[in-house]
Amino acid sequence: AQRVTQPEKLLSVFKGAPVELKCNYSYSGSPELFWYVQYSRQRLQLLLRHISRESIKGFTADLNKGETSFHLKKPFAQEEDSAMYYCALPMDSNYQLIWGAGTKLIIKP
Amino acid sequence: DGGITQSPKYLFRKEGQNVTLSCEQNLNHDAMYWYRQDPGQGLRLIYYSQIVNDFQKGDIAEGYSVSREKKESFPLTVTSAQKNPTAFYLCASNIPPGQRSGANVLTFGAGSRLTVL
Repeated sequence: AQRVTQPEKLLSVFKGAPVELKCNYSYSGSPELFWYVQYSRQRLQLLLRHISRESIKGFTADLNKGETSFHLKKPFAQEEDSAMYYCALPMDSNYQLIWGAGTKLIIKP
Repeated sequence: DGGITQSPKYLFRKEGQNVTLSCEQNLNHDAMYWYRQDPGQGLRLIYYSQIVNDFQKGDIAEGYSVSREKKESFPLTVTSAQKNPTAFYLCASNIPPGQRSGANVLTFGAGSRLTVL
């Protein structure tokens, strides 16, 4: 069965430190994975998708098929990165997404 | 200014009452979704609709109902049968016509917070 796991409910790092939000998935084919972000008092929005291979707000995410992971990374965290982050995987059968439980990222000054 | 509008933003309900949450989009998206967001549980799908006059149950449809009479609108009714309705509800849409690569990129509304008194 398709599944997305975000093992950390809460991640707290100091400003300027590297940050890595973990996402592991179970899927037999070639997945299309997403990271969505929800800043305080803002709408949930797409942060990045792996097929774009782009860096958004300094964040990157590399698909590792061997480890079935799609971890979100940023070398130097900023206070404005504090938010709730969700990893998501589309289901095979329709347009639905399977969501991880989310990781709350807190950047300490 | 295209987007998704959810109303009301806050809603209080007495036990035993049905309430309806509104979701309207002007993005010309085919598919619309209702999610429930609870702390530590991520987003759980309540109902979704891929086309007008058709909708399917998601993972936690019990105690909820929807309709899709117009492409732009996908209201959610939280019925008295829903045992734990206090939550934050999110509406979303996706799949712009003619842009298959846009599938799975969801646009979300600002949410509605329902509290049962």
